[in-house]
Amino acid sequence: GESVGLHLPTLSVQEGDNSIINCAYSNSASDYFIWYKQESGKGPQFIIDIRSNMDKRQGQRVTVLLNKTVKHLSLQIAATQPGDSAVYFCAENSSPGTYKYIFGTGTRLKVLA
Amino acid sequence: DTGVSQNPRHKITKRGQNVTFRCDPISEHNRLYWYRQTLGQGPEFLTYFQNEAQLEKSRLLSDRFSAERPKGSFSTLEIQRTEQGDSAMYLCASSPPVWDRRAQHSYEQYFGPGTRLTVT
Repeated sequence: GESVGLHLPTLSVQEGDNSIINCAYSNSASDYFIWYKQESGKGPQFIIDIRSNMDKRQGQRVTVLLNKTVKHLSLQIAATQPGDSAVYFCAENSSPGTYKYIFGTGTRLKVLA
Repeated sequence: DTGVSQNPRHKITKRGQNVTFRCDPISEHNRLYWYRQTLGQGPEFLTYFQNEAQLEKSRLLSDRFSAERPKGSFSTLEIQRTEQGDSAMYLCASSPPVWDRRAQHSYEQYFGPGTRLTVT
């Protein structure tokens, strides 16, 4: 299959360790944020979202943290597995209540066995 | 498979030719989006439909690009007089109505597998 993100920042983690992927967003007016996972040859897949009135949200093995003061978003993956290897994108809505998303550049996560 | 589908998956065309891509959203999703993605970049928003109405269009969408969703179901994206710079992955996504209580994340966009366009 084709490769997504040949020249992206890469995070390499040992299987079983926790992963933290960071993202800086640009628009202080954004009120909704999403993390997507993209594997080679596939479209982005939803992982977790968070609204601006929250600073933390947990899912299954994943946690998203939002720091509005410094416009920073992070995705924490607990007990990283080989299947987590992919490119991860954060996205923000361009203005409150809109459905137009602006995606970040992405980070490649490599899980080492 | 009841996800978003896109056809064709791959398209190779010569510069100057017209191409058309199709997107079939998830049934009952009233919102549909087109994005373009180049290697090493995140998806870039192109346009958005709510039902059959095209509500927003990016400045990235030049006059050579046109999108339609005539019956509020499937959508087509046409590129006229293709240029080498049009080579990219074209992604389609759909979202359920915000009032859909079954939707866990009403703002979530469900992406299709994309159409890879190569202009030679």
